[in-house]
Amino acid sequence: AQSVTQPDIHITVSEGASLELRCNYSYGATPYLFWYVQSPGQGLQLLLKYFSGDTLVQGIKGFEAEFKRSQSSFNLRKPSVHWSDAAEYFCAVGAGGGATNKLIFGTGTLLAVQP
Amino acid sequence: GAVVSQHPSRVICKSGTSVKIECRSLDFQATTMFWYRQFPKKSLMLMATSNEGSKATYEQGVEKDKFLINHASLTLSTLTVTSAHPEDSSFYICSATRPNTEAFFGQGTRLTVV
Repeated sequence: AQSVTQPDIHITVSEGASLELRCNYSYGATPYLFWYVQSPGQGLQLLLKYFSGDTLVQGIKGFEAEFKRSQSSFNLRKPSVHWSDAAEYFCAVGAGGGATNKLIFGTGTLLAVQP
Repeated sequence: GAVVSQHPSRVICKSGTSVKIECRSLDFQATTMFWYRQFPKKSLMLMATSNEGSKATYEQGVEKDKFLINHASLTLSTLTVTSAHPEDSSFYICSATRPNTEAFFGQGTRLTVV
């Protein structure tokens, strides 16, 4: 069965520092992968997605993620974090292999940004 | 990107009453809509998949008689929590998709049953 693991429940970084949020997935074929961000009491905003092609994906707000098939990973990165990036981040895989299929979410990583 | 509107954003209801939550795709026709439930400090758990004009497909463990889902048109799906109890209090989020695109999420509904 498909699954997504986000090993870090809570991460704190200083403003201006670099960030990497980890995501590992379990899926038999080439996955459709997503990163979403959620502010408190809000819905989810798509940061970026990987369907195929270039394994380094650029997203909004200066985020990028790299698909590494050999490591079953899709880690999210940002070179310089801003205070407004504090939020919860969810990695997800498209279940059943379709971009439009239901999503299996990781447990989320809560990002805190220190001034 | 496509816009999905969820209404209401917050609702408080008395135990034993029913509550309806609407999910609308504002600028596209959504062939499939999904309903998720998010517990405090937890991830999103899929409740059901809703295809326009057909019965919803519920995930294992989700009571279909308690969580009624209707997808009457390509732009509207509704989730009705029937005979609500305090344990139904949660954050409910819908998403809508069209062929070969990612899902677009509503802003969520905070349900509190008192």
